[in-house]
Amino acid sequence: EAGVTQFPSHSVIEKGQTVTLRCDPISGHDNLYWYRRVMGKEIKFLLHFVKESKQDESGMPNNRFLAERTGGTYSTLKVQPAELEDSGVYFCASSQGPIRSYEQYFGPGTRLTVT
Amino acid sequence: DQQVKQNSPSLSVQEGRISILNCDYTNSMFDYFLWYKKYPAEGPTFLISISSIKDKNEDGRFTVFLNKSAKHLSLHIVPSQPGDSAVYFCAASAKADQFYFGTGTSLTVIP
Repeated sequence: EAGVTQFPSHSVIEKGQTVTLRCDPISGHDNLYWYRRVMGKEIKFLLHFVKESKQDESGMPNNRFLAERTGGTYSTLKVQPAELEDSGVYFCASSQGPIRSYEQYFGPGTRLTVT
Repeated sequence: DQQVKQNSPSLSVQEGRISILNCDYTNSMFDYFLWYKKYPAEGPTFLISISSIKDKNEDGRFTVFLNKSAKHLSLHIVPSQPGDSAVYFCAASAKADQFYFGTGTSLTVIP
């Protein structure tokens, strides 16, 4: 069974540009999460989808970030326009059900560098 | 404000000895705790969990201890092996389906 995949693995963009990150969860996992880790800091929750619905987006930093999960399968996270402080590793994770009851599986992350 | 803290950024241990990784939290509503292990260029993988109704949970070489009064948990790895070298994150959850992570501790097990 394929794990959580993320694309691209690395992205280097200039301040003001747009970047779209993609996450493909494990097949059949209705719950999808986005996290971000700024270098050396904690892994921070961004948002949580259940199927195509946003269950919790309390961690989204500001309105430059837009997450979608059309059809309840893969998800995209768009940053527009990117700022220097958006640099970090963006992780996606998926689970069969609530993560207090089911294991959460992480993807390898997308390293975003904004210059 | 960070609710889960791992104050040791790194730890080195000789192979065969015990590794002890520590984690402190501030939110008294947290009732479920996990440890994740992360290798370079990979995502975190689940290692072990503990509910606040317990003070210890053991899985093979890994044991997690929870001290609710001190708001402290620790992960013990005995015996440590070179393959255990990784970054370890603790995470905590209150009732909501969201985890708060620490900053991680990089463990190096020296052969």
